[in-house]
Amino acid sequence: NAGVTQTPKFQVLKTGQSMTLQCAQDMNHNSMYWYRQDPGMGLRLIYYSASEGTTDKGEVPNGYNVSRLNKREFSLRLESAAPSQTSVYFCATVQRPQGSYEQYFGPGTRLTVT
Amino acid sequence: AQSVSQHNHHVILSEAASLELGCNYSYGGTVNLFWYVQYPGQHLQLLLKYFSGDPLVKGIKGFEAEFIKSKFSFNLRKPSVQWSDTAEYFCAVNSLNSGGYQKVTFGTGTKLQVIP
Repeated sequence: NAGVTQTPKFQVLKTGQSMTLQCAQDMNHNSMYWYRQDPGMGLRLIYYSASEGTTDKGEVPNGYNVSRLNKREFSLRLESAAPSQTSVYFCATVQRPQGSYEQYFGPGTRLTVT
Repeated sequence: AQSVSQHNHHVILSEAASLELGCNYSYGGTVNLFWYVQYPGQHLQLLLKYFSGDPLVKGIKGFEAEFIKSKFSFNLRKPSVQWSDTAEYFCAVNSLNSGGYQKVTFGTGTKLQVIP
């Protein structure tokens, strides 16, 4: 039972390049989230998916797109990377409406954009 | 709008000292409250949570937190810290919107450094 997995763990991009961050969960949770973590700013929500087939913008969606491929997978795409997107990205899941509403986090992807 | 404030950004303690990290939130409705911990180089893990009932909740590793509704606070405490408690601690609050979506807001985090 792997929980929440993310790939890749590290990535360096040049400005303007694109890439997709992958997230998968084997906990059969309904909701999935993408956050970015920056020093002194806590976690900020980029996009979320309340259930399979739905996605919505969070607090900082500009420059990102997402796909909820199925119940297990939720990917985050940077179409044209910018240095401001240098961050650590975390995927998280929640079992809703039943369950305790606690979030389960993946190990993170450290992205550097030069 | 929902918000969470953590007043201490960086705390340095000696081993065996007592810890209290402040967390205040603003939201007018029913909330669930959480403390998460992030050890160096790792992802966030749940320390404890409050949903309802006894406002004093106990979590893992000897941590506890008290929900004081009148003060909109959910402070984290530990009587005696250990070097292994060195980590960053995040307070979080969630609420449900009309669509059933769980809106979660995190504080900016408090870095705790415990000196042996």
